[in-house]
Amino acid sequence: DAGITQSPRYKITETGRQVTLMCHQTWSHSYMFWYRQDLGHGLRLIYYSAAADITDKGEVPDGYVVSRSKTENFPLTLESATRSQTSVYFCASSSKQGASTEAFFGQGTRLTVV
Amino acid sequence: GNSVTQMEGPVTLSEEAFLTINCTYTATGYPSLFWYVQYPGEGLQLLLKATKADDKGSNKGFEATYRKETTSFHLEKGSVQVSDSAVYFCALIYNQGGKLIFGQGTELSVKP
Repeated sequence: DAGITQSPRYKITETGRQVTLMCHQTWSHSYMFWYRQDLGHGLRLIYYSAAADITDKGEVPDGYVVSRSKTENFPLTLESATRSQTSVYFCASSSKQGASTEAFFGQGTRLTVV
Repeated sequence: GNSVTQMEGPVTLSEEAFLTINCTYTATGYPSLFWYVQYPGEGLQLLLKATKADDKGSNKGFEATYRKETTSFHLEKGSVQVSDSAVYFCALIYNQGGKLIFGQGTELSVKP
C-alpha cells in the first residue's frame, strides 16, 4: 500500500529495555522525521533525515538513536527505555521541494514504558 | 529561536458556531505556515497552508491568513460541524527541508 506506515501501533515495554519503532514510506521522499507527542507540548522533533545516511538531531534527541540505510525506512531506537519516554511517536516524510512542502504523517505508535 | 504559540484548549462549541483558533509565531526570515488537523486515533494531516505574507490558505471551510505585521496565522471557520471535532496544530517551516515546528495543539469539541 502506498503511504507511510508505522509499526507497531501499540507497544508496552519495561524500563531499561531497547525498543525499535519502525517507519516505512513508499513515495521515495528525501526527508523523514520522528516526532513525539505529549500533552501540553504538542509535537517535538526528535531526529530528522535529509536523505539516506544523513541524519541530524532535533529538539529532544537524548536517549534515541536513528539510522537511515535505505530511503524508505527510518527506524527509531530507544536504547534503554525510561518512563519519561512514554509517549505517542509519529513518523513523517516530505519531498525535497522547498519550505512549503507538505509533510505526511504515519498513524503513530503509542509507547508505554513501565 | 523559532516557535509557535497557540491558544490553549479545549475549545467547546455548539454546531454552527463561529470558530477562531489563535496562532502566533516567532521566526527569522520568512517561514511558511501550516495548520494540521488530528482526528481521534489518527496521525496528522495537512488542513491548509500559506507560504508568504498576505496569502490566505483555505480548505473544507477553514481559512487562515498569513499576517506578517502581527506574526499571526489564526484559523477560522464560519460554521463548525460535529465532524470538525479534532486537535488542530499550527506549524511553521523556517528553512529548506520541511522541518516543521509545531504549536502545542488546540483541542476542539463540537456539540450537536
